[in-house]
Amino acid sequence: QKEVEQNSGPLSVPEGAIASLNCTYSDRGSQSFFWYRQYSGKSPELIMSIYSNGDKEDGRFTAQLNKASQYVSLLIRDSQPSDSATYLCAVNIETGNQFYFGTGTSLTVIP
Amino acid sequence: DAGVIQSPRHEVTEMGQEVTLRCKPISGHNSLFWYRQTMMRGLELLIYFNNNVPIDDSGMPEDRFSAKMPNASFSTLKIQPSEPRDSAVYFCASSSSLTGFGNTIYFGEGSWLTVV
Repeated sequence: QKEVEQNSGPLSVPEGAIASLNCTYSDRGSQSFFWYRQYSGKSPELIMSIYSNGDKEDGRFTAQLNKASQYVSLLIRDSQPSDSATYLCAVNIETGNQFYFGTGTSLTVIP
Repeated sequence: DAGVIQSPRHEVTEMGQEVTLRCKPISGHNSLFWYRQTMMRGLELLIYFNNNVPIDDSGMPEDRFSAKMPNASFSTLKIQPSEPRDSAVYFCASSSSLTGFGNTIYFGEGSWLTVV
């Protein structure tokens, strides 16, 4: 079983809509949770981190964490074509400072 | 502040040749990671170091791959001999392994390897 699972997509949404990206993880020892955005031909860049249950908002982005369900999500409001990228979910297991990544969800925002 | 620095950015080599990829982590970070990314397999962890010591190399595909971290500011990933199936993007990343929440991993721009 993979440590982090994501729907690979592709996910397509019209411009201005809400994009919803989901991620599940298997290790209950996971402490920190991250969303990275990766444009084609570029390296992953951090866009959100979340450490406790609930919602965390940053501009158009909202991360949601439910540790009981081992579930992390990312909502992108008012989606823009520039949001078109692959989104990677990652978890950090503090013991040994391990980071595990999902395979990513490809998002396309249609103008 | 400088981020994670990788070299070379691009390399094309012939099958059987030795390839050496280099990485300078962010100053002050004591964890260093080597990842490989392909379309088929996504982002795979090859090996990671804490305080220059290899902690987990279970992701290293085979004996042709080796990694070293002789000091806190430099690491190499070597492939010898290289094969066409090694063609991928190799990312180096670093993190601080302070206890508690807030550890974040930062990536270099990657080394794009093509083995022909």
